[in-house]
Formats: sequence, C-alpha cells, structure tokens
Amino acid sequence: GDSVTQMEGPVTLSEEAFLTINCTYTATGYPSLFWYVQYPGEGLQLLLKATKADDKGSNKGFEATYRKETTSFHLEKGSVQVSDSAVYFCALSDRGTGFQKLVFGTGTRLLVSP
Amino acid sequence: DVKVTQSSRYLVKRTGEKVFLECVQDMDHENMFWYRQDPGLGLRLIYFSYDVKMKEKGDIPEGYSVSREKKERFSLILESASTNQTSMYLCASSSGGAGWDTEAFFGQGTRLTVV
Repeated sequence: GDSVTQMEGPVTLSEEAFLTINCTYTATGYPSLFWYVQYPGEGLQLLLKATKADDKGSNKGFEATYRKETTSFHLEKGSVQVSDSAVYFCALSDRGTGFQKLVFGTGTRLLVSP
Repeated sequence: DVKVTQSSRYLVKRTGEKVFLECVQDMDHENMFWYRQDPGLGLRLIYFSYDVKMKEKGDIPEGYSVSREKKERFSLILESASTNQTSMYLCASSSGGAGWDTEAFFGQGTRLTVV
C-alpha cells in the first residue's frame, strides 16, 4: 500500500539556519504530495502542495519539489524563525483510490532556538 | 474563516463506556474524516465519509463506528472504550468527492483518555 517516510525528529536549529526535512513516498498510482504543519495546541494546516512531477510548492518561505525519479518531496527553508517551531507532516493523496485519502508520515518536530 | 469544530478539547472516560466525539464543519464540504494521532505513528485514518449517510473504513476501524446524518456533522463512536483508544482524535473535511489534491481542513483535536 501507499506509505510516507519522514526523517525522525526532533530537528533542533538556531534561528536563521537552513532547514531540510526529508520525505520519501511509495505509491501505486500517481499521487499528489503535501506538507502539513501542526503548531502547538492546534490542528494541522496545509503548508504547501504539489500535484505533478517537477512541481514546486511554496508558502511562507518553505519550498518542496515533487521528484518522481527519487520519489521524494523534501521540505526546505532558507532561514528558519522561532515561530516555525512545530510538527511537520508529509502526506500523499493517491488519485487511484477514487476518493481523497491522505496517507501521512509520522511527523517531524522542529525546534528553533533564538 | 473556514472552520472545523470538535466538540471537546479534552475528555476522560472509563473503560467500557460508549463515547461520542462530534465534529462540525461550516464549509459545505462533501468529505469528512476521522484520524487518530499517536507519537511515532503519525496520523492514521479511522473512517471517512464522502456524502451524507455514506461511510468507508479507513486503516484502523476496529472498535469504532461513525455516523453522518447531516452534511455538516460527522460523529465518531467508541462502542466500548478501552485504554488502547487513549489518543488524540482529529477530524478533517475537504471538498469534492474525488478531489484528491484538494486541501483538508482540520479541527483542533480531542485528547481522549480512557481510564
């Protein structure tokens, strides 16, 4: 079945450092890919998405590129802020199922210190 | 502002009790979902619904049932709560019956403790 693998956390960075959170996927079809973020005490919210190969999703300084050849969707940010501290989830939605069924990774906690 | 509202932030129930978790969305979305979130396991889909009175099992439906009598409301029912159902429960909704790339909107979660 479909699955998403994320790097384990926590990832601990100083403010203004470069961030990479790795995400790879396995899917039988041709999925859409997402990054969701969960701030403390809140539900998940969509950060960015990409729906086809070589698409780049971007939002709030975060970017991720859909790499079909490496089945990856790594999240990057050039300069993190304390306010970026949260849990980040990579997810896929496989159009082959006929319904939107999101499959999530285990989440990566990011801690940014001043 | 779009909203998915879960009826409780925290619940404590006793083993064997029947537990109802309620979720309401105000976006006229067709799809609604129940996930549980556990450390190291991420989010796992329990049930989802793509229309009123329609439901589909997710990856871990055992011990749960759902009800969708109105489009805006999706209830998760624990028929006989057990300690291994202690978890964070997240409700979500999205538009479109087959919109695989549409955004899902999440509630704030209900942290359920079964003692």
